[in-house]
Amino acid sequence: GESVGLHLPTLSVQEGDNSIINCAYSNSASDYFIWYKQESGKGPQFIIDIRSNMDKRQGQRVTVLLNKTVKHLSLQIAATQPGDSAVYFCAEISDSSYKLIFGSGTRLLVRP
Amino acid sequence: GAGVSQSPSNKVTEKGKDVELRCDPISGHTALYWYRQSLGQGLEFLIYFQGNSAPDKSGLPSDRFSAERTGGSVSTLTIQRTQQEDSAVYLCASSLFATDTGELFFGEGSRLTVL
Repeated sequence: GESVGLHLPTLSVQEGDNSIINCAYSNSASDYFIWYKQESGKGPQFIIDIRSNMDKRQGQRVTVLLNKTVKHLSLQIAATQPGDSAVYFCAEISDSSYKLIFGSGTRLLVRP
Repeated sequence: GAGVSQSPSNKVTEKGKDVELRCDPISGHTALYWYRQSLGQGLEFLIYFQGNSAPDKSGLPSDRFSAERTGGSVSTLTIQRTQQEDSAVYLCASSLFATDTGELFFGEGSRLTVL
């Protein structure tokens, strides 16, 4: 089927390299942040999260960094693999809300 | 099934027709969300259910859009008198509770094309 994200910013990396995907958020009241991965034709899938009382959180091959001063979030993927090719969204939520607000997304292409 | 199930996966309709999109959440999940994703865009929040109640309908684009949830399970999103700008992928997600955690489980979406 048709891919989502045809008009999204694209990051192209060589297989095995590290990837860094950036996201700026706007709501200073947001205190919980999540990265989602969306493969073509599928719904978004949770990758990793971080709360505002943390600056860094690591998962398996992924690290999320949070800079509250400049309202910036990044996702680092180590040793990027072809299966990492997807659209990546950051999302934010405030403690007083249940509503997850998504950013516009970045398309990651992994070159073999 | 174990995941969130949505139907139909694809729907092509003519402008002015009504459409119904269905979502079966994960069994036992009390919270259910509808999002809309236009081509090349992020996810736009539409509505959220806690049980059968919809505390927040503020994301619905117009009064042509409505949603209901019955039995704390299945939800239906209805779009009346469809317009071409309604063309998008409609995504449903569920979570165990309506909490401030972001681990929503998404279905694969219903792609709506309005001709």
